[in-house]
Amino acid sequence: LAKTTQPISMDSYEGQEVNITCSHNNIATNDYITWYQQFPSQGPRFIIQGYKTKVTNEVASLFIPADRKSSTLSLPRVSLSDTAVYYCLVGDTGATNKLIFGTGTLLAVQP
Amino acid sequence: EAGVTQFPSHSVIEKGQTVTLRCDPISGHDNLYWYRRVMGKEIKFLLHFVKESKQDESGMPNNRFLAERTGGTYSTLKVQPAELEDSGVYFCASSQDGRNNSPLHFGNGTRLTVT
Repeated sequence: LAKTTQPISMDSYEGQEVNITCSHNNIATNDYITWYQQFPSQGPRFIIQGYKTKVTNEVASLFIPADRKSSTLSLPRVSLSDTAVYYCLVGDTGATNKLIFGTGTLLAVQP
Repeated sequence: EAGVTQFPSHSVIEKGQTVTLRCDPISGHDNLYWYRRVMGKEIKFLLHFVKESKQDESGMPNNRFLAERTGGTYSTLKVQPAELEDSGVYFCASSQDGRNNSPLHFGNGTRLTVT
């Protein structure tokens, strides 16, 4: 079964780059790794998705090593509005399509 | 396109009562998921539908929880009878493809409080 671990919380200042890592063992070999952002009283919102190496979109980058046992979400130049909980989402091993959330990282951005 | 909608947004019930949560996925999304967040941040998988069929219900806590998706459109999650530990936020999500190869679209959740 897949197991995921994320830091409980991280602090940052506006304008800094933030890297959040999710460790994930025993994930499905053919699935993407996805990251979500969640604000209070809202559902998780898709940020970025990747399979291997590096993926970049307009809001973030995602780094995935060859062994796919971890992934790192990189947020360039964070702002106060990036204060939220960030989750990785991975596919579990096995015959079903169970998708497992990471434990979540609360990012607090200070002015 | 309309997003995933959940109803109600909040529900407060007494222990022993019954509550039914509803989720309307994005039109055309065959995959529908229920998740629950309790005791802080962790979001736990409950079950996964593909159209009207339960693909995986291994996360359902016990037989007090019943999920249905008649006709493969909207889904309901019934808790009967509710217990105190059932309190939490219940999220529904839908996606076009199964597994993790297309993003999940989440509703804003139903906050359930059992007193």
